[in-house]
Amino acid sequence: NAGVMQNPRHLVRRRGQEARLRCSPMKGHSHVYWYRQLPEEGLKFMVYLQKENIIDESGMPKERFSAEFPKEGPSILRIQQVVRGDSAAYFCASSPGQSNTIYFGEGSWLTVV
Amino acid sequence: AQTVTQSQPEMSVQEAETVTLSCTYDTSESDYYLFWYKQPPSRQMILVIRQEAYKQQNATENRFSVNFQKAAKSFSLKISDSQLGDAAMYFCAYRNSPMGNNNDMRFGAGTRLTVKP
Repeated sequence: NAGVMQNPRHLVRRRGQEARLRCSPMKGHSHVYWYRQLPEEGLKFMVYLQKENIIDESGMPKERFSAEFPKEGPSILRIQQVVRGDSAAYFCASSPGQSNTIYFGEGSWLTVV
Repeated sequence: AQTVTQSQPEMSVQEAETVTLSCTYDTSESDYYLFWYKQPPSRQMILVIRQEAYKQQNATENRFSVNFQKAAKSFSLKISDSQLGDAAMYFCAYRNSPMGNNNDMRFGAGTRLTVKP
């Protein structure tokens, strides 16, 4: 059973470009979570999704950030018009249900130059 | 909103010795879950141990055990017989039960553990 798969592992974007980060949950998991980790800091919750639904997006910045988890395919975290402050590690996690432990992917490192 | 506090930014331990990492949390819920995750230099988040709040017995996983004090809202991690591979950032995390609000997982700021040979 493959773990949570994230790609790309490393992404470099110029200011103003768009960044798309993908996450395939573990097999059988229908819940996906995105977290952001700034250097030397803990993980900050961004958004929690189930298939085709956003359950909780209280941690998402109001502008430029969006997330989706379509019926088919991976979950996508999209950052439009990136700025240097968006440089961070973005972790995806998944769980089979609400009451279960969440399992993390290896993260995607976004660098904005 | 629930908060998780790790008051020790850094800790060090001699190889083969025991170390305890502290974690406190704030919640008004009665049913929830607590976790310790390890983040080695590879930056991958690895689950170390999990505790359900309704269970009085402290969770144990090999050399890792917790001291869960529900009334005090304390959840410390004890690492026995420390190994060089235990060196990492350790994050304490809290998650409400499905019946509570805000089912996302909240993390503390982390404790960097150094293991001295």
